[in-house]
Amino acid sequence: QVQLQESGPGLVKPSQTLSLTCTVSGGFVSSGAYYWTWIRQPAGKGLEWIGRISTSGTTNYNPSLKSRVTISADTSKNQFSLKLSSVTAADTAVYYCARAVGQQLMSAPWGQGTLVTVSS
Amino acid sequence: DIQMTQSPSSLSASVGDRVSITCRASQSISIYLHWYQQRPGKGPKLLIYAASNLLSGVPSRFSGSGSGTDFTLTISSLQPEDFATYYCHQSYSAPDTFGQGTKLEIK
Repeated sequence: QVQLQESGPGLVKPSQTLSLTCTVSGGFVSSGAYYWTWIRQPAGKGLEWIGRISTSGTTNYNPSLKSRVTISADTSKNQFSLKLSSVTAADTAVYYCARAVGQQLMSAPWGQGTLVTVSS
Repeated sequence: DIQMTQSPSSLSASVGDRVSITCRASQSISIYLHWYQQRPGKGPKLLIYAASNLLSGVPSRFSGSGSGTDFTLTISSLQPEDFATYYCHQSYSAPDTFGQGTKLEIK
């Protein structure tokens, strides 16, 4: 059974780069018809799709974040990562990684999420 | 971006009640619509995919319907563990977008 686990700093200073990693167990980031996805949720608010990377390395990003976002995969570690540059307080949120499955690209499973706070 | 309008934003109901949550897309999304349940402090869990397909292991009291722009999630007989927040999600066109959520509370 595939499981995902987010990790990274819980506190990032304004203007710096937020870096998170998602470790995949029970499956491989390099195989199957999957997209590996990042989604975030500010406290008390809804879900915002950040972007995804396919097993072949193709990426799609939310245009609202595209200039600041990079999603990459490290197949040797079975991980994929998120980098978000020039962060502000508006980037404070719980960040989730998830696997998008099949032609319909529904997301399952999700990680438990990690809170990132942007503050000096 | 495709806008997803979910209603109601909150709902009070009792154990055993039948409830429905609707999601409307700003343009046709075929059946690229999925429903998730989120409990406090947890990541969302997929319930229904492609509008009406129940994920394996999800209780049969959950059902989904719709196509095009209008979709519905129905819970036929609420159980205590169903009180949570529900989100719809369209994956027809990137960027994927979500409804604003429906918080289901105990009456």
